[in-house]
Amino acid sequence: SYVLTQPPSVSVAPGQTARITCGGNNIGSKSVHWYQQKPGQAPVLVVYDDSDRPSGIPERFSGSNSGNTATLTISRVEAGDEADYYCQVWDSSSDHQCVFGTGTKVTVL
Amino acid sequence: QVQLVESGGGVVQPGRSLRLSCAASGFTFSSYGMHWVRQAPGKGLEWVAVISYDGSNKYYADSVKGRFTISRDNSKNTLYLQMNSLRAEDTAVYYCANEVTSIAAAGTDGMDVWGQGTTVTVSS
Repeated sequence: SYVLTQPPSVSVAPGQTARITCGGNNIGSKSVHWYQQKPGQAPVLVVYDDSDRPSGIPERFSGSNSGNTATLTISRVEAGDEADYYCQVWDSSSDHQCVFGTGTKVTVL
Repeated sequence: QVQLVESGGGVVQPGRSLRLSCAASGFTFSSYGMHWVRQAPGKGLEWVAVISYDGSNKYYADSVKGRFTISRDNSKNTLYLQMNSLRAEDTAVYYCANEVTSIAAAGTDGMDVWGQGTTVTVSS
């Protein structure tokens, strides 16, 4: 089955840039979606189809995808960005499975 | 606005059954694929199942295949998850979510709006 690997944690100072990676075999050939989840809350879609933002999501959130790595970039990080972040793809090569990454805890210092 | 409200969770013994519901409002439910995603206590997100907008295509995670059934009633704007032969490892918060794009191939899209979840505890 397809595996998505994320770093367990990323720490960043306010105002700086956080980059969260999502590794997968030839992930660049798939559409990657990113979710933010704060404690006790449901996930929120922040980037879909590699780099599109849903309405209401700040431009500070951006995505890219190439080769074996997709990246979610959070610019000008704010305290409110502290959360868990998950990448997700649809793997149609096997038995049609949706796969989530292992998740990354972003800590704002 | 788009709203998804899950219900039907609770405490159930191993081997028993439970049916979850997800009531949708604020959008054309019959045009969007729908997912169930779960999260065990202290763990990450785990996809459970997806159903296409018209119910013609359904896909399941290997961990629930043969035990869980996803379905929908577009006349009632409601999504369901029938869970049979429940195990302790099925204990989780269960979320429903709709896909970003209407009339899309099931599963290929991101999950746009999520409900607040309903908790299922499987314990004797």
